[in-house]
This record gives sequence, structure tokens and C-alpha cells, in this order.
Amino acid sequence: SQTIHQWPATLVQPVGSPLSLECTVEGTSNPNLYWYRQAAGRGLQLLFYSVGIGQISSEVPQNLSASRPQDRQFILSSKKLLLSDSGFYLCASLGLSGNTIYFGEGSWLTVV
Amino acid sequence: ILNVEQSPQSLHVQEGDSTNFTCSFPSSNFYALHWYRWETAKSPEALFVMTLNGDEKKKGRISATLNTKEGYSYLYIKGSQPEDSATYLCAFIQGAQKLVFGQGTRLTINP
Repeated sequence: SQTIHQWPATLVQPVGSPLSLECTVEGTSNPNLYWYRQAAGRGLQLLFYSVGIGQISSEVPQNLSASRPQDRQFILSSKKLLLSDSGFYLCASLGLSGNTIYFGEGSWLTVV
Repeated sequence: ILNVEQSPQSLHVQEGDSTNFTCSFPSSNFYALHWYRWETAKSPEALFVMTLNGDEKKKGRISATLNTKEGYSYLYIKGSQPEDSATYLCAFIQGAQKLVFGQGTRLTINP
């Protein structure tokens, strides 16, 4: 089975500062990878997904970006954070059969 | 944007009562539907994976059904207990690639 490592777990960043959240996967190759955000009082919103190295699909226009420099690495970035970027970010991957979704531990971002 | 809708958004149920809620999804290019129990700022806990039209799954007091032709799934909880309080998420997988969650149904069990 797969294991996903996501970090950092929590961070407090000032408005206008950059962001980098990292997600790495063990136990599989060529996984589909996903970044979600939970804003206060809402469900999990799909931000980006990737089906392979260098392949990124963006779901919501915003000041965030994603990259997949290696097969099992998925990075969420921003050049300049906004207050509205605060929230809980979750990385996930889909098992080969589509029957299992693996989640990272989550990252709690507070922009001040 | 793929729309996965859950209703109701929130629900208050008396302990011991049974309840159910809905997940609606596009009927095209269906691959699988997952149900999760989720507490905020934690990783979701898997309940069911449903892949075939007409699927019915059961786990203790919780069960789920699936209708892929009309694009909906129901989650049922029988004899609600306080520990059932949580947000219940459905996740729709389209074409084995896109994975979209509903906004969740927040369930509160009143003792």
C-alpha cells in the first residue's frame, strides 16, 4: 500500500510571503496526485491534480500553483500569499485500482 | 468544473434515530464513488468504495447505496450514536483520474 508524507504540518506566514507545501508518495509509481484545500466551514476543494511528471491540471484560478518535478513528488506553491489562502491543505493519491484514496497528514496554513 | 453535491449541508439528529443523506454526481464517465467520515483538520476515514450500479454496502450501523445511471448515492445511519457526529464526505472519481469531493454533510447527534 501507499504512504504519503506531507509537510510542513503547520505554518504561519505573513501576507505577501511565498509558500511551498510538499507531498511525497511511497509504495507506488506513477500515482495520480491531488491537492485540496478546506477553507473555514467548507468541504475539500480540489485545487490541482496530476497524472504524471510535469502534468498539472488546475481546477480553480487563484494565486497558487503546483508542480510535479518527480514521479512521487507534488508541490503546492505561491509567490505571494493572501489572507484568503489560509486553511487546511491536504495531499492525496489514488490507488492503481481506484479503490483506495491515500491521504497525507495535512498542512494547516495561517496567513497573517 | 465537476459538481459533486451533498445534501443536506448539516443535520441534527436525536440519539437513537436513523438518518440518511445524499451525494449527487455526474452520471457520465463514472469510475467509482467513495464515502468518508471526516473530522476537520484530519485525514478522512474511509467508509465505503462503490463501483457498480446497484451496489449496496454495509458496515455495522452504516450502509450505502449507489445509482450510477441517475447519479446519486445514499448513506444511511441506523440508531445514531454521539460518536457518529462528524462530517460525511463523498468522493467521485471520473475516468480514473479526476477525484472530486462533495462539500460534506455535517452530522450532529444530540444526546
